[in-house]
Amino acid sequence: DAKTTQPPSMDCAEGRAANLPCNHSTISGNEYVYWYRQIHSQGPQYIIHGLKNNETNEMASLIITEDRKSSTLILPHATLRDTAVYYCIVIPGSYNTDKLIFGTGTRLQVFP
Amino acid sequence: DTGVSQDPRHKITKRGQNVTFRCDPISEHNRLYWYRQTLGQGPEFLTYFQNEAQLEKSRLLSDRFSAERPKGSFSTLEIQRTEQGDSAMYLCASSNLNTEAFFGQGTRLTVV
Repeated sequence: DAKTTQPPSMDCAEGRAANLPCNHSTISGNEYVYWYRQIHSQGPQYIIHGLKNNETNEMASLIITEDRKSSTLILPHATLRDTAVYYCIVIPGSYNTDKLIFGTGTRLQVFP
Repeated sequence: DTGVSQDPRHKITKRGQNVTFRCDPISEHNRLYWYRQTLGQGPEFLTYFQNEAQLEKSRLLSDRFSAERPKGSFSTLEIQRTEQGDSAMYLCASSNLNTEAFFGQGTRLTVV
């Protein structure tokens, strides 16, 4: 079973920041938080991952709370192409040393 | 490097027929994963290989399913005696110890 809880859907206006929350209250000390997204009819795409520090890359920022029980994925300027299902996953290890267990994710709809 | 490639993209088959799907991972990746995804759900793990060794199989992988990766490069997933419940998107992903997982576009199977 997935170890994370996400809202089933969210809306965001184009150009605004999209903030996608994830609860992972049972996360272990060696588990990383990963985010993937899946655009309709495509395979999932890696976005970002982190352990306890906030992370930023060209796609998004990841904010992890100090107690590591929750995190937020931030898309700073959402575009229509960001409409997708976003999955928050926790797994041990800095990279994929284990299989990904997907939940049902958050369906983000970006509107004009 | 063109990413993870899956073939075919779509397959329609009659109930009771056998089908085989192929996945070509990113060339330097030694791990290869198979997932199944039904409508409205996140991908479900089926099995994974490290090089040619099949290291883990999900209980979802019934005895009608078999996966191989004979030379540690491409992999095949065969479903024997297909049932309507096998209709799904079958996703392949690859990684190594220093990268995230990269997914293919998937093979959509419809059993009629």
